[in-house]
Amino acid sequence: EVQLVESGGGLIQPGGSLRLSCAASGFSVSNNYMSWVRQAPGKGLEWVSVIYSGGSTYYADSVKGRFTISRDNSENTLYLQMNSLRAEDTAVYYCARIINYYHVGDYWGQGILVTVSS
Amino acid sequence: EIVLTQSPATLSLSPGERATLSCRASQSVSSYLAWYQQKPGQAPRLLIFDASNRATGIPARFSGSGSGTDFTLTISSLEPEDFAVYYCQQRSNWPRITFGGGTKVEIK
Repeated sequence: EVQLVESGGGLIQPGGSLRLSCAASGFSVSNNYMSWVRQAPGKGLEWVSVIYSGGSTYYADSVKGRFTISRDNSENTLYLQMNSLRAEDTAVYYCARIINYYHVGDYWGQGILVTVSS
Repeated sequence: EIVLTQSPATLSLSPGERATLSCRASQSVSSYLAWYQQKPGQAPRLLIFDASNRATGIPARFSGSGSGTDFTLTISSLEPEDFAVYYCQQRSNWPRITFGGGTKVEIK
């Protein structure tokens, strides 16, 4: 059974750093495209970042230079390192497996809340 | 950036009624449009990809149509579990995917 479980969220002050984890089971993160998508409270969905099976990475302009997506193949885990956090980064963060070619998320984690506030 | 505009923002219907949701793109996305369902406190669930293809396990009452800039998600007869928020997503300029603002289907 495919499962994605996020962890690492919480309350952080503006300017701080946080690393989110997404533990995968039932498939290999290294063989798939994996993404982070966020949702601010009461708002819609926003794509954040993707890592290709080959290792290439891409970011939304809103997080470029501050966030880094990575994976640990041995742990079968996806990460999102978030630095220089701002109030507008407050959101529920979802990891998602992306279907190659069709570029849609077929499996999603339950989401983890990140709150940036002093 | 390709902007997706969904309408209406809220749709008030009764179980058994037909729901028609719209998604309009700011420029052509060909058929590269998907639909998701999201219930409160849950992750999005993929319904439709590439405009009209149902994802695995999605009931036949969900159907998608359209191409270019205008797309429609139709729920032929609403079941109680279908009341939720629906989002469209384009992949035309992958990896910079964008989502629409959502349509809430609520019980009338």
